[in-house]
Amino acid sequence: GNSVTQMEGPVTLSEEAFLTINCTYTATGYPSLFWYVQYPGEGLQLLLKATKADDKGSNKGFEATYRKETTSFHLEKGSVQVSDSAVYFCALSDQSRGSNYKLTFGKGTLLTVNP
Amino acid sequence: NAGVTQTPKFQVLKTGQSMTLQCAQDMNHNSMYWYRQDPGMGLRLIYYSASEGTTDKGEVPNGYNVSRLNKREFSLRLESAAPSQTSVYFCASSAGWAVSNQPQHFGDGTRLSIL
Repeated sequence: GNSVTQMEGPVTLSEEAFLTINCTYTATGYPSLFWYVQYPGEGLQLLLKATKADDKGSNKGFEATYRKETTSFHLEKGSVQVSDSAVYFCALSDQSRGSNYKLTFGKGTLLTVNP
Repeated sequence: NAGVTQTPKFQVLKTGQSMTLQCAQDMNHNSMYWYRQDPGMGLRLIYYSASEGTTDKGEVPNGYNVSRLNKREFSLRLESAAPSQTSVYFCASSAGWAVSNQPQHFGDGTRLSIL
């Protein structure tokens, strides 16, 4: 079956520090990959996505590259802000016929950015 | 744009009581999903509806029932609430089979406590 493993948190950084949150996956087919962000008290919002190998998703200064050879989709940002404090979820969507495009989520990584 | 709307936002129940969580989307999406979020567990799929008129079990369906009332609405029912069902419940929707590689859109959640 499909699975997603992401680095356990919590992660605490100072403002302007470099961020990496690791994510690796196991999938039987050719999944699409997503990063979602959840701010306190809110639902999940799509942060970025990549649909095939070597694609790079980017949004709001965050980037992640779909690496088929290492089955990874690590999230990076060059300079974090206090407003980036949130829980980040890596997820994959099975694109094979009959999968109904269900999402499989990692357990989430809590990021806290201090001023 | 409303997107995905969940009601209620908060609810406290006693063990054995029943209730229905409501979800509606205004994006003309085909597929809808119910998840529960528990600390350290990420999001786990309870039930989903790939299209109007169909429903299927997800990873943790026991103790729940669902109804896809029409294309817009997808409700989750707890027939006899148990303390183990204390959680945050999220509804999501996506274009599903109609458009590949599309993300799921989430509501803000229902925080449910069962005493």
